[in-house]
Amino acid sequence: AQSVTQPDIHITVSEGASLELRCNYSYGATPYLFWYVQSPGQGLQLLLKYFSGDTLVQGIKGFEAEFKRSQSSFNLRKPSVHWSDAAEYFCAVGEGGGADGLTFGKGTHLIIQP
Amino acid sequence: DVKVTQSSRYLVKRTGEKVFLECVQDMDHENMFWYRQDPGLGLRLIYFSYDVKMKEKGDIPEGYSVSREKKERFSLILESASTNQTSMYLCASSQTRNTIYFGEGSWLTVV
Repeated sequence: AQSVTQPDIHITVSEGASLELRCNYSYGATPYLFWYVQSPGQGLQLLLKYFSGDTLVQGIKGFEAEFKRSQSSFNLRKPSVHWSDAAEYFCAVGEGGGADGLTFGKGTHLIIQP
Repeated sequence: DVKVTQSSRYLVKRTGEKVFLECVQDMDHENMFWYRQDPGLGLRLIYFSYDVKMKEKGDIPEGYSVSREKKERFSLILESASTNQTSMYLCASSQTRNTIYFGEGSWLTVV
């Protein structure tokens, strides 16, 4: 069965500092990988996705993620965070990108310090 | 832009009531999903549908049912609401082998 682990429940970063959110997955075939962001009281917004090809994926809001098959990881990065990046971040894995839904990690809560 | 609309954002229902959560998508997507989200547990798939009148159980279907009479609409039904179904419910849709898009969520409180 597929699974996703986000090892950090909470992360605190100073505004302007760099960010890396970790995601490890377990999946039998080539995974389709996603990062979503959720602001308080809102639904999930897609940040970026990896289906195939270049393992470094660029997303919206200045985020990027790197797929590393050897480490079963898909970590999310941003070189300089803004206060508006404070939110919950979810990593997800699926087969075919949606035919039978996605398996989500439990999320990482990002706190931005002034 | 893809639009997934959940008509009720906030609901308060009594134990034992029948509850309908409605979801509509405007992109002619084949697949639709219902998740529930709870603190510390992330998102868990309740049911999904890959075609009209088709449904498949997700990871936590107990206590729920669904209806998909039209391609654009996917309803989640709580036949007899219980307090442990107090949660945020997220609807989503996708075209197969593509991105899943989410609605803004429905907060359900069962008292």
